[in-house]
Amino acid sequence: QSALTQPRSVSGSPGQSVTISCTGTNGDVGAYNFVSWYQQHPGKAPRLIISDVTKRPSGVPARFSGSKSGNTASLTISGLQAEDEADYYCCSYAARNYVFGTGTEVTVL
Amino acid sequence: QITLKESGPTLVKPTQTLTVTCTFSGFSLSTSGVGVAWVRQPPGKALEWLALIYWDDDTRYSPSLKRRLTVTKDTSKNQVTLTMTNMDPVDTATYYCAHRGPANNWFGPWGLGALVTVSS
Repeated sequence: QSALTQPRSVSGSPGQSVTISCTGTNGDVGAYNFVSWYQQHPGKAPRLIISDVTKRPSGVPARFSGSKSGNTASLTISGLQAEDEADYYCCSYAARNYVFGTGTEVTVL
Repeated sequence: QITLKESGPTLVKPTQTLTVTCTFSGFSLSTSGVGVAWVRQPPGKALEWLALIYWDDDTRYSPSLKRRLTVTKDTSKNQVTLTMTNMDPVDTATYYCAHRGPANNWFGPWGLGALVTVSS
């Protein structure tokens, strides 16, 4: 199975909104509502920020939201803050397995 | 509070077998639906899902690495072990283990990771 496709980088000014896409196939993203998103700061372990396409775990700021349409899932950060500068990865269940995305670097200008 | 910690060699030679252990606390791998996943990340590159072991010993592997991977658990010691055979320099990466809760299709929390370098 191939990695899910994400843009290499996105950027925005503080307060702006950015959206990261995660494109898979009808065998993973398109087949299941089991897309999760992870935030990773340099030198740190990944941290779950969205589960099951749209669910935000306790402690994750409300500016993070997820959605899905067809074979593409999206993560939106509304009201970008300096601490949101990090790498972001999507992950999808794929029939007995899991597959991660290629990763997106978010830069706060 | 759930915590996980990876341990293992920092350096292995090409063709050798890697063994990394995940020691966890705050949950039991004998609880229905619980699992522990392994994910790796080469320096400067993306995360790659490797394997998942469930409470009932059901094990799933990345199709591309299936022939080289084995994951086992020791419930009494709260440990999960990943074994990868025939190591190559391209396998140089930080190896993470992560908790998978009952009926969840996401991973968290994660261990801090263990950097393994493959070099002669």
